[in-house]
Amino acid sequence: EAQVTQNPRYLITVTGKKLTVTCSQNMNHEYMSWYRQDPGLGLRQIYYSMNVEVTDKGDVPEGYKVSRKEKRNFPLILESPSPNQTSLYFCASSLQGSYSPLHFGNGTRLTVT
Amino acid sequence: KQEVTQIPAALSVPEGENLVLNCSFTDSAIYNLQWFRQDPGKGLTSLLLIQSSQREQTSGRLNASLDKSSGRSTLYIAASQPGDSATYLCAVFNSGGSNYKLTFGKGTLLTVNP
Repeated sequence: EAQVTQNPRYLITVTGKKLTVTCSQNMNHEYMSWYRQDPGLGLRQIYYSMNVEVTDKGDVPEGYKVSRKEKRNFPLILESPSPNQTSLYFCASSLQGSYSPLHFGNGTRLTVT
Repeated sequence: KQEVTQIPAALSVPEGENLVLNCSFTDSAIYNLQWFRQDPGKGLTSLLLIQSSQREQTSGRLNASLDKSSGRSTLYIAASQPGDSATYLCAVFNSGGSNYKLTFGKGTLLTVNP
């Protein structure tokens, strides 16, 4: 089944403890991206990647890192999480960036205490 | 900086009614505009994608239009059903200074009452 898989679905952690949220797609998509969704602020793009080894900042990249070493994987890394990074995170991919519809994962709800 | 606005924020209609959701954006330098639906606790599902050179797209009871010059898009839902209840979001894929960035509106929460 074609899908975008995020793990974990739920994560509770403490301030400063490094964590990684994984994202994998099995559709050979070139474009992958990360978003956070917050009440009243909507969905905001954190980082995106046009292809392997090509990444760029979205609108809210501070406090996050990404890497794209393989086409199928696009992990989101929080080196030193803070409470203001408590949010619902989504990964998405599309075949060819601006030409194709986005496919979303089911989300990761992160709580930083 | 691109800004995307969706009106209304919430809409409640009786089953069977035709309805229109609105989306406006401030920067017309876009590659495409997409409409999504989001069910509670779930990810987003792509409904329609309109390339910047197109005027409209249709899928079943859904029709989306795009007027790039005026920065507007509408999503028309015909003969609404309770299963259409969800949050509908529009997003623009920017092609100007913010190449390949995606900007979302805050969504319209639609409730279709049986």
